[in-house]
Formats: sequence, C-alpha cells, structure tokens
Amino acid sequence: DIQMTQSPSSLSASVGDRVTITCRASQSISSYLNWYQQKPGKAPKLLIYGASNLQSGVPSRFSGSGSGSGSGTDFTLAISSLQPEDFATYYCQQTYNTPLTFGGGTKVEIK
Amino acid sequence: QITLKESGPTLVKPTQTLTLTCTFSGFSLSTSGVGVGWIRQPPGKALEWLALIYWDDDKRYRPSLKSRLTITKDTSKNQVVLTMTNMDPVDTATYYCAHGVVPGKFGYWGQGTLVTVSS
Repeated sequence: DIQMTQSPSSLSASVGDRVTITCRASQSISSYLNWYQQKPGKAPKLLIYGASNLQSGVPSRFSGSGSGSGSGTDFTLAISSLQPEDFATYYCQQTYNTPLTFGGGTKVEIK
Repeated sequence: QITLKESGPTLVKPTQTLTLTCTFSGFSLSTSGVGVGWIRQPPGKALEWLALIYWDDDKRYRPSLKSRLTITKDTSKNQVVLTMTNMDPVDTATYYCAHGVVPGKFGYWGQGTLVTVSS
C-alpha cells in the first residue's frame, strides 16, 4: 500500500494568514493526488484533483502543487489568505493505485 | 445535480453482517469512467477507503478487508450496496458513499451514516 504522510497534523493560524500543508507519498504517484476539506459532522469536500487542478466552485485562494523536482512524492496544499470558513481538517488522497489511501489529516485551527 | 445518500442499520451486533445501500441521482453508473466508492471514518480518526465499483462492473477492495467486503450495483435502481461480514466494534464508523471518476476522484459525497457495532 502507498502510505500518505501529512504534516503538520495540526496548526493554528489567523484569518488572513497564508497556510501550507504538505503530503508525502511513500512512492512516486505522479500527479494522482487529491485534496479534501472536512468540517465537523460533514462529508469531505473535494478541493484539488490531479495535484494542482481546482475543483469547480472552490475559491481560488486554494491551490495545489507537486514538488518542483518532479519526484512525484511531495505535494503541497496552500491557502493564500485564510478565511473563517476555512477552519477545518484537510486530507490528501492518492489515486495512483488501489488501495486508495488518505493521509492522516491536518486540522487547521483558529489562533 | 448529483446526490448520494447512505441507508442501513445504525447498530449492529458483533459477528453480524452489515448491509449498506447508497442511493444516488444525477448520474448513471452506466456511464464510462464513473464509479461509486465507499469510505469510512472511525470517530475522531482519518478517512479509510473500503471499496469501489465502476461502470463496467470492475470492483476494487481494500486488501485488508477484501475477505469481508462485497460491493454490487443495480443500475436500474441507481443503487450500490456494500456488505461487510463479521462486524467488530473496531468497525464502528461513519460510512460514506461517494461518486467517483476514474481513477478514484470523489467529487460528490453522501451525508454519511454512523454505524455502531456493539452487543
């Protein structure tokens, strides 16, 4: 199985801050990487697919990228200016092969 | 508008079989590239993918649970059914079904259903 490791597991930030979350795969997954946002008691919501493609309807302050070296193992989710509605838990997911696997999650809390 | 909704028991006893139904609308499971997946989330824990069935009846399972899982589809009823045998308290979780597009991008999710395993 491909292991997905997210860091940090939690962070505190203020409204307006730039926030970055990283996800590392245990092997190369090319760009088969998605990001989801989950709020308490709600289903996850797809934000980014294919590492860097913004899902329709998702605000442009969210962006995704892979490592510049092209390793296919390191990915980043960035929120350019944190908004009150962005406080949530974020998960990465690899779809390179089955079993599909998710990262452990990053909880973004209000500072 | 794509919607999905999970239904099934909220409480099952250890060793029993769980049967969950995902009823969806707004898409057809006959369309090339489309699938429906099941994902669960134990209380306070991360998401865990369980199974996925595609338009062509290709089925994929989480290897560690493969012996306990069966996923089927009824295209005419717009339903996908997941069965999990020999339930254990560690299987207590919220179970979600989701619309998937190859290779496993889940763009639409059901609201989830909490299943508790307890005697």
